Amino acid sequence: DAMVIQNPRYQVTQFGKPVTLSCSQTLNHNVMYWYQQKSSQAPKLLFHYYDKDFNNEADTPDNFQSRRPNTSFCFLDIRSPGLGDAAMYLCATSRSRDNNQPQHFGDGTRLSIL
Amino acid sequence: GQNIDQPTEMTATEGAIVQINCTYQTSGFNGLFWYQQHAGEAPTFLSYNVLDGLEEKGRFSSFLSRSKGYSYLLLKELQMKDSASYLCAVIKAAGNKLTFGGGTRVLVKP
Repeated sequence: DAMVIQNPRYQVTQFGKPVTLSCSQTLNHNVMYWYQQKSSQAPKLLFHYYDKDFNNEADTPDNFQSRRPNTSFCFLDIRSPGLGDAAMYLCATSRSRDNNQPQHFGDGTRLSIL
Repeated sequence: GQNIDQPTEMTATEGAIVQINCTYQTSGFNGLFWYQQHAGEAPTFLSYNVLDGLEEKGRFSSFLSRSKGYSYLLLKELQMKDSASYLCAVIKAAGNKLTFGGGTRVLVKP
């Protein structure tokens, strides 16, 4: 039944070692978002894809990249993870960029950095 | 810029009513969402307000006043499973990008 699926649920990587988080959706939504949520804080938007168009937030570090090879999949790449990148990473989708479209979230991937 | 303020934590008794306030200051506004997030889980959509007034959905209601930059989420007949964080999120005028408040953790006690 899960419509936005994130794998894995828990990811451990080493300081400086590249890591990729994945997200897939069965909703056929046009828009996919990546958020970072640190402990006891609000989710913070990193970037989003509207179809194939990539939209980066101004304050997203260059260390964070994303790929969307097709409608269903979107990846978050962290090139050189630092200790400050330990967080929950949430993927979300919406049907369109119309403002009344709720975003549907996956269960998140909790990233730990050793 | 955008400031979105919510209380950090609230405690209420099972069966009671709790009101979670959210105030916002934003350079553009085109709607406000409320999400529920249980610990370690994904946020789930509760409500959307873009016009002034009250939207009711079962035990949950959400209110918006655009002129005051104010919204609240009202939870009635509280159940233990309502213990969660409640996130207020504002949409800027351009696009469907959400900016979240810090969330309010609600603890329901027997």
